[in-house]
Amino acid sequence: ETGVTQSPTHLIKTRGQQVTLRCSSQSGHNTVSWYQQALGQGPQFIFQYYREEENGRGNFPPRFSGLQFPNYSSELNVNALELDDSALYLCASSLDQGSAFFGQGTRLTVV
Amino acid sequence: SQQGEEDPQALSIQEGENATMNCSYKTSINNLQWYRQNSGRGLVHLILIRSNEREKHSGRLRVTLDTSKKSSSLLITASRAADTASYFCATDGTGGGNKLTFGTGTQLKVEL
Repeated sequence: ETGVTQSPTHLIKTRGQQVTLRCSSQSGHNTVSWYQQALGQGPQFIFQYYREEENGRGNFPPRFSGLQFPNYSSELNVNALELDDSALYLCASSLDQGSAFFGQGTRLTVV
Repeated sequence: SQQGEEDPQALSIQEGENATMNCSYKTSINNLQWYRQNSGRGLVHLILIRSNEREKHSGRLRVTLDTSKKSSSLLITASRAADTASYFCATDGTGGGNKLTFGTGTQLKVEL
């Protein structure tokens, strides 16, 4: 177990709706990153938060947004859901230049 | 976009054999990390090798890094059925910070 927890485990949403995914980072870690993994693909970097500020963003539209809280937990929000947003969403926490440790992911299905 | 590719895409071996997976990447890196993923769930961190390192060991795992060829390999010795999983390499760019770029993965099946 990595100590990184994500909720919920599974989620089904309708196209056009909004969704919030949550991540609790490993104790002592100050950096949280979010990834999207489509079926059969490797994870793709969405964005990273470091000490509550966005610290880098991948090639994702603005309807993907996030937050990091003072306790370093984080949320990923996706507005105006599209069918292609169906994927496994992974959260990873790390401390500075150390290894990144992942949670078990949230499986999002958009119908 | 994917940084690189793992080779082979799929590998099937017998228990007790060694499994070797290769990873190629395109840009300069700070470090390279290998992960295992079971049945589309979370990624398990296996090993991190920094750009100034050439080889690293952890239990039955051996990782090599050749920055001149922009490639890495993961060797699993004496494989077990429990090693059946997808394996991904991920690179952290020269700026560091763990904004990882993943390869396409190798699906390893270890048969009894």
